[in-house]
Amino acid sequence: DMKVTQMPRYLIKRMGENVLLECGQDMSHETMYWYRQDPGLGLQLIYISYDVDSNSEGDIPKGYRVSRKKREHFSLILDSAKTNQTSVYFCASSLSPGLQNTLYFGAGTRLSVL
Amino acid sequence: GEQVEQRPPHLSVREGDSAVITCTYTDPNSYYFFWYKQEPGASLQLLMKVFSSTEINEGQGFTVLLNKKDKRLSLNLTAAHPGDSAAYFCAVRNTGNYKYVFGAGTRLKVIA
Repeated sequence: DMKVTQMPRYLIKRMGENVLLECGQDMSHETMYWYRQDPGLGLQLIYISYDVDSNSEGDIPKGYRVSRKKREHFSLILDSAKTNQTSVYFCASSLSPGLQNTLYFGAGTRLSVL
Repeated sequence: GEQVEQRPPHLSVREGDSAVITCTYTDPNSYYFFWYKQEPGASLQLLMKVFSSTEINEGQGFTVLLNKKDKRLSLNLTAAHPGDSAAYFCAVRNTGNYKYVFGAGTRLKVIA
């Protein structure tokens, strides 16, 4: 059963606190992504990971960092969270996109920074 | 870089009517095109993926048209029903990189 799992599903943090969002996939996909979704803006790419310890900034990386120490696991870290980082965060994975590969999405994490 | 504009942002139709959502993109090297459906509070599910070589693609109750000359991708729900009420997103990728660029989404409401 192909699955992308995100934890936690809901999170409330205070401004300045550190935040860790976790993502796992069971498909041995090389490439993983973190997106955030805000009303009217669609999905914006934060980071891409091509494989273990091979990460690249997306379109809006400021205020975020990532960690990928195992192929099946990709973490998004907010050091000192800000209120404008309140959003829904989606993790996705795909096979190495040499072909027409599809993105598989997790269920999302709804983060509120107060 | 690639930019994708999706229209309309909101769409309300009656059950049985058709609904058309359109995306225009800027990169002529775009080759892979995707439509995703997102129900309220849920994740994105793939509706259809199409490739630059195919202009008309048919699914269950919908058609996807690709006009490469005008750089336009459209999703046409032929006879909408309430279960189609959701947000729809197009996504575009070229052959040269790993980035999928998404449209801002269309919130579709089908009224019974």
